[in-house]
Amino acid sequence: EAGVVQSPRYKIIEKKQPVAFWCNPISGHNTLYWYRQNLGQGPELLIRYENEEAVDDSQLPKDRFSAERLKGVDSTLKIQPAELGDSAVYLCASSAGTSGRTRSKNIQYFGAGTRLSVL
Amino acid sequence: AQKVTQAQTEISVVEKEDVTLDCVYETRDTTYYLFWYKQPPSGELVFLIRRNSFDEQNEISGRYSWNFQKSTSSFNFTITASQVVDSAVYFCALSANTGANSKLTFGKGITLSVRP
Repeated sequence: EAGVVQSPRYKIIEKKQPVAFWCNPISGHNTLYWYRQNLGQGPELLIRYENEEAVDDSQLPKDRFSAERLKGVDSTLKIQPAELGDSAVYLCASSAGTSGRTRSKNIQYFGAGTRLSVL
Repeated sequence: AQKVTQAQTEISVVEKEDVTLDCVYETRDTTYYLFWYKQPPSGELVFLIRRNSFDEQNEISGRYSWNFQKSTSSFNFTITASQVVDSAVYFCALSANTGANSKLTFGKGITLSVRP
């Protein structure tokens, strides 16, 4: 079974440019997360989706960041315009959900991330 | 508010030594989950274990073992007979069991280097 797939793996852009990241979760996982990991830190949640609904976006800087998960499967995260401080690794994760009876619920499985460098 | 503290930042050991990675957590929730993840140089976070707050039994999986103590709010991870392939950053994380708060709160991670 394929894991969480993210692309691109690396992205280098100049400040003020737009950038987008793509994530395809594990098949059947209805919960999808975007995290940002700054150098030397643990990941921090940006947004969480239950199917196509964003149920926790309190940490998403909405002035420049946006996300969508139109059909409840794959998702994109966009930054426009990018700033120097946005340089980080952007991680996508998925889980079987926050409700339900599966033993694997609440286990988040992560993709390899997109490393963004803003120059 | 939830908080995870990994006081150790870097640990270096020689292969075959045992090593313990410490994790202390804070939460007001009575039901929660604790996790350990491994992040090798490739960058992907690899799930290692999940522990329910109601289950304080220690767990052993091969060379890995975990000690969960609610009395001290700690969830420590021991690698026995370490190997070079264990070199990675290890994260402890916490999540509450409520539907509205299932995000993972991570510690800052511990960089483990195992020398041959």
